[in-house]
Amino acid sequence: AQSVTQLDSHVSVSEGTPVLLRCNYSSSYSPSLFWYVQHPNKGLQLLLKYTSAATLVKGINGFEAEFKKSETSFHLTKPSAHMSDAAEYFCVVYNAGNMLTFGGGTRLMVKP
Amino acid sequence: NAGVTQTPKFRVLKTGQSMTLLCAQDMNHEYMYWYRQDPGMGLRLIHYSVGEGTTAKGEVPDGYNVSRLKKQNFLLGLESAAPSQTSVYFCASSPTSAGEHTDTQYFGPGTRLTVL
Repeated sequence: AQSVTQLDSHVSVSEGTPVLLRCNYSSSYSPSLFWYVQHPNKGLQLLLKYTSAATLVKGINGFEAEFKKSETSFHLTKPSAHMSDAAEYFCVVYNAGNMLTFGGGTRLMVKP
Repeated sequence: NAGVTQTPKFRVLKTGQSMTLLCAQDMNHEYMYWYRQDPGMGLRLIHYSVGEGTTAKGEVPDGYNVSRLKKQNFLLGLESAAPSQTSVYFCASSPTSAGEHTDTQYFGPGTRLTVL
């Protein structure tokens, strides 16, 4: 089975500074990877997904992620944080049978 | 389209009580899932269904039962609630295994359950 590890449980940035949320994956073959966002008291929303078409994936709200096979990483970035980006972010890997395995989550805090 | 809806939004139970959580989707998706979310553990799959009349166990099925009598509905039951089942429960759905977006799951807003 494939798995993901989110390296930081909490990340704090100032508004207008870059965001980096780190995710490593473990897979015996080329995986499908996702980033989901969960705003407070809300359900999960898909930010972006990687399915081997391109290693740099652009998502909604200015986020992007780069798939690096040599580093088994799929880090999420954004050039400039907004207050509205404060949320919990989940790195997720697709397993056979349409099942997903979630990382533990990273809570992003944005300071004014 | 309403997407994926869940009822109720909140519930408080006493130990030993039973309840059923309802998930409904209007996207004609074949696959439906129940997850629980606990702090620091992400979402863990409880049960899932690959079509009407089918169910299967996920990662943490103990203490839960499910039914998929209609394609659009997926019910999660707790027969005898325990404090360890205090959690936020999410339902999700996804299309069949053909097409570009088949592995994207669509989530409901969640049900916050407290067992005293």
